[in-house]
This record gives sequence, structure tokens and C-alpha cells, in this order.
Amino acid sequence: ETGVTQTPRHLVMGMTNKKSLKCEQHLGHNAMYWYKQSAKKPLELMFVYSLEERVENNSVPSRFSPECPNSSHLFLHLHTLQPEDSALYLCASSQGILGTGGSALTDTQYFGPGTRLTVL
Amino acid sequence: AQKITQTQPGMFVQEKEAVTLDCTYDTSDPSYGLFWYKQPSSGEMIFLIYQGSYDQQNATEGRYSLNFQKARKSANLVISASQLGDSAMYFCAMRLYGNKLVFGAGTILRVKS
Repeated sequence: ETGVTQTPRHLVMGMTNKKSLKCEQHLGHNAMYWYKQSAKKPLELMFVYSLEERVENNSVPSRFSPECPNSSHLFLHLHTLQPEDSALYLCASSQGILGTGGSALTDTQYFGPGTRLTVL
Repeated sequence: AQKITQTQPGMFVQEKEAVTLDCTYDTSDPSYGLFWYKQPSSGEMIFLIYQGSYDQQNATEGRYSLNFQKARKSANLVISASQLGDSAMYFCAMRLYGNKLVFGAGTILRVKS
């Protein structure tokens, strides 16, 4: 496989369930990101990892828990979600090591196809 | 405040014609990057083009070009020879420190045959 993949593509869960979203990048990149895209709102950055270390937590509720076991994989663990958490969750990766300067080559983020989450 | 503004919620263009999608930005950082992404109905965000704040030339990638006017803080996307497959949502985004992206609200483009 190439690029950035996400599984599952669609997920329906109840408010008491626990589920996980998976993202895998096959680009040899060093940074990975989680974004949330709700209807009628711009994309919101949730978490950023650089070399498997979390460098950004954008005031996200604790019911969302990220995990980055290595530079190729990123997970988003979900528990006791609310209906307003229903959205498209997008994963992205970029080549550069954050904080070391940027360019088009290192900074461009490549996105996966997203997981469409519905919370009942 | 770091902000991206896309004032066109929706645009129509005739197939084979050119179309310009507007984007203005607000930042006090001297170094920044501007991106355009395409999002078809399938949901994936597809990278189209990048312009760095210090780049002297306007960026071009095939049928896509970026009309970068730094003094006006605008970074409009021009799509030449529109195709039916260009119908999608288009997002302008700005890179901030730490490679965080701030996105605009998007413009829906519909190409008519």
C-alpha cells in the first residue's frame, strides 16, 4: 500500500462504547496528525506527533486519547463519546521533524481518506 | 490572529474554462506557507499546491497555479481548463509554527458540462 491509510472508513458507536481509529503512513514521514472535520466547520487540528512524541494537544477532551507507537502508526482511542463528536476524522503525515525549519518538501501534509464516525 | 478566509461558499464553472478560488490570510509571522487542498465527496484531502512566503515566483502545478499577492495577503487558486473531475470542495490552508495548519471554510466548485 502507498500513502496514508485509515481504518475503519466508517464507524457507528454508542456513547458507552470504546473504539479505536487507526492510521498508517507508508511514506517514511516523521510527523503525524489527527484532524476533526465537522459539518459546517473548518478542519480542526486535534493532535500532532513528531518522532512519536506528542507535540500538540489542541484542547481536545480527554475522551479522545491518541497513541503513536512508532513513526508509521497513529491511533485515536475513543470512549464515552457524545453525539456532537460525530464527524470525519482525518489523519495526515509530513516528512519534516517539527521544530527544525520547513519547506514545501518537509511541511506538506498528506492526508488519509478519513474515518466517518457517527455517535448514537 | 491567524486566520484564513474563503469568501466564496460555492462556485460554478463551465467545463474547459478557467476559474479562480479566493483566499485571504492573516498572520503576523514573517515566515509561513500557504496550501491548497481538494476534497472530493469521498473525503480524502488531496494536496494541490504550495506557496512559501519567501518564494519569489507564483507556484504552478500542472493546471493549478497560485496567484500570490503578499501585500494584499491573498493566495488565490487558479484552475485552468476545468474538468468534470474538478468538482469538489477546495480548502486554503496556512502553515503556522510547528507545521500546524489553519484551514479556511472551503469553497464548493461545480464544473458544468
